[in-house]
Parts: sequence; structure tokens; C-alpha cells
Amino acid sequence: GDSVTQMEGPVTLSEEAFLTINCTYTATGYPSLFWYVQYPGEGLQLLLKATKADDKGSNKGFEATYRKETTSFHLEKGSVQVSDSAVYFCALSTASSNYKLTFGKGTLLTVNP
Amino acid sequence: GAVVSQHPSWVICKSGTSVKIECRSLDFQATTMFWYRQFPKQSLMLMATSNEGSKATYEQGVEKDKFLINHASLTLSTLTVTSAHPEDSSFYICSARDPTGEDTGELFFGEGSRLTVL
Repeated sequence: GDSVTQMEGPVTLSEEAFLTINCTYTATGYPSLFWYVQYPGEGLQLLLKATKADDKGSNKGFEATYRKETTSFHLEKGSVQVSDSAVYFCALSTASSNYKLTFGKGTLLTVNP
Repeated sequence: GAVVSQHPSWVICKSGTSVKIECRSLDFQATTMFWYRQFPKQSLMLMATSNEGSKATYEQGVEKDKFLINHASLTLSTLTVTSAHPEDSSFYICSARDPTGEDTGELFFGEGSRLTVL
């Protein structure tokens, strides 16, 4: 079945540091890939997405590239801010699964001033 | 983007009572909604898929008599936790897919509802 493997957290960085959160996936067919962010006590918000190979999703300084050859969708940001502190979830969905989202376990990011 | 709203955002109840959580799509019609449960510091676990006008599809291990799902209209799905017990305390999140426009499989999530059973 479909699965998502995410880098184990927690990740603690200083402000303006470079961020990478690794994500790899296993899926039948051609999944859409997503990064969702969850701030404390809130639901999930879509951060970025990519629907086909070599697509790059970007938003708020975050980027991730859909790499079919390595089945990866790593999240990066060049300079993190304290306000980026949250839990980040990598996820995939396929039409064959009726668009059920399969999530990774989540990575807690804490950015210190 | 599409907006999904949940209510209540938090609820405290006594053991043995039932609690209803509502999930509404505010600016689109959602034929399918998904209900997730999230334990502290863990990922989201899909509980069931709610289909408008038909019975919900429950994931393996989820008690359908315990977690009643009703999707009576294209903009509203409800989750009722029946005879709640402390182990049902959790963060419940609904999501919906907007079938109009470009369909990338993106789901839109509600704000979540935190249930505490005393």
C-alpha cells in the first residue's frame, strides 16, 4: 500500500538557519504530493504541493521538488523564522485511493530566536 | 481556497455522554469528507470516509457504532462520539475535497475539535 516516510524529529534550529525535512514515499500509480503544516492547537494547512514529476511546489519561502527517480519530496527553506515553529506533515494521495491522504508521522520544528 | 469549518473547537464532557462534532464546507459542495483522529504528538489517523447520501466507510479498527458519521447534505458532515469514555479524548479533524476546478487531490482541513472526556 501507499506509505510516506518522514524524517524523525524533533528538529531545533536557530533563526535564519537552513531547513531540510526529508520525505520519501511508496505509492502505486502517480501520486500527488503535499506538505501540510500544523500550528499548535490548530488544524492542518496546506503549505505546498506538486502533482507530477519535477514539479516544484513553493510557498512562504518553503520549497519541495517532486523527484520520481528517488521517490522523494524533501522540504527546504533557506532561512527559518521563529514563526515557522510547527509540525510539518508530508502526505500523498492518489486517484486510485479515492484521494485519501496518506500522512507521514510529522516532524516538529522549533526555531529559537 | 476552499474553507472547511468545524464546531465546536473544543468540548469537555462527562463519561457516558455523547458528543456531536460538525464539519461544514463553507464555499463549496463536498460529496466526500474525511474524519481523522490525532493523538498528542502523533500523526493523523484516518477514521472514516463520509459520503453524502450514503453510509460512511470506516477504516479497519474503527468502531462504527461508537463513531457515528452522518453526511446528510453536500456541506455538512457530523461525527457523533457515542457513550464517550476518557480514552476517546483526542483531537478530531475533518477534511473535504473540492471537486470543482483543478483536482489535485488536495484536501482542505477544518480547525479541529479537541474532545476531553472526564
